[in-house]
Amino acid sequence: DTEVTQTPKHLVMGMTNKKSLKCEQHMGHRAMYWYKQKAKKPPELMFVYSYEKLSINESVPSRFSPECPNSSLLNLHLHALQPEDSALYLCASGPDSNEKLFFGSGTQLSVL
Amino acid sequence: QKEVEQDPGPLSVPEGAIVSLNCTYSNSAFQYFMWYRQYSRKGPELLMYTYSSGNKEDGRFTAQVDKSSKYISLFIRDSQPSDSATYLCAMSSPPGNQFYFGTGTSLTVIP
Repeated sequence: DTEVTQTPKHLVMGMTNKKSLKCEQHMGHRAMYWYKQKAKKPPELMFVYSYEKLSINESVPSRFSPECPNSSLLNLHLHALQPEDSALYLCASGPDSNEKLFFGSGTQLSVL
Repeated sequence: QKEVEQDPGPLSVPEGAIVSLNCTYSNSAFQYFMWYRQYSRKGPELLMYTYSSGNKEDGRFTAQVDKSSKYISLFIRDSQPSDSATYLCAMSSPPGNQFYFGTGTSLTVIP
């Protein structure tokens, strides 16, 4: 099983809303990632959790708040987003050896 | 200079053609090399993964790594319309949880 599951697949939210994106993997990977991808651009790293601890925060605005409840789950809490935050949000996981990365199908987020 | 360079295309080929996709990189520390296929508005799918130099074949796909030239390639044989997608190269080196992506090449296979 090489699957990373993300929910929801699509999300539309207003600038005052609070919502959460969820991600789950059962491959035993100890590194989990959030990426943001705009159209026709490569994925852009936001956060990395290694062994359930936040190891990388790429200077992401505080309106994005990650959480890793356990080794299989990763959440991204969203609050007071801006229209320019509209993008495809990708969760990924991989072995801590850094040799490969498996992506979920993504959440297409629109901020109105 | 970017860490990873990839020709964005677009590339358009007839069905059945052999497709060659390429990336160059500048960091000689990279050891792991990946190719992803991404359909519109979907997450990237890991197609091929190689360690260090050499070739790897999986069905119609062949990945090549030339570390001396800092050059990697993905070949697709007998291309199909279903291969129409954006192909991303990626690379990494231990440790650090950092992956470096090319900008992606858009491929269209015409029936």
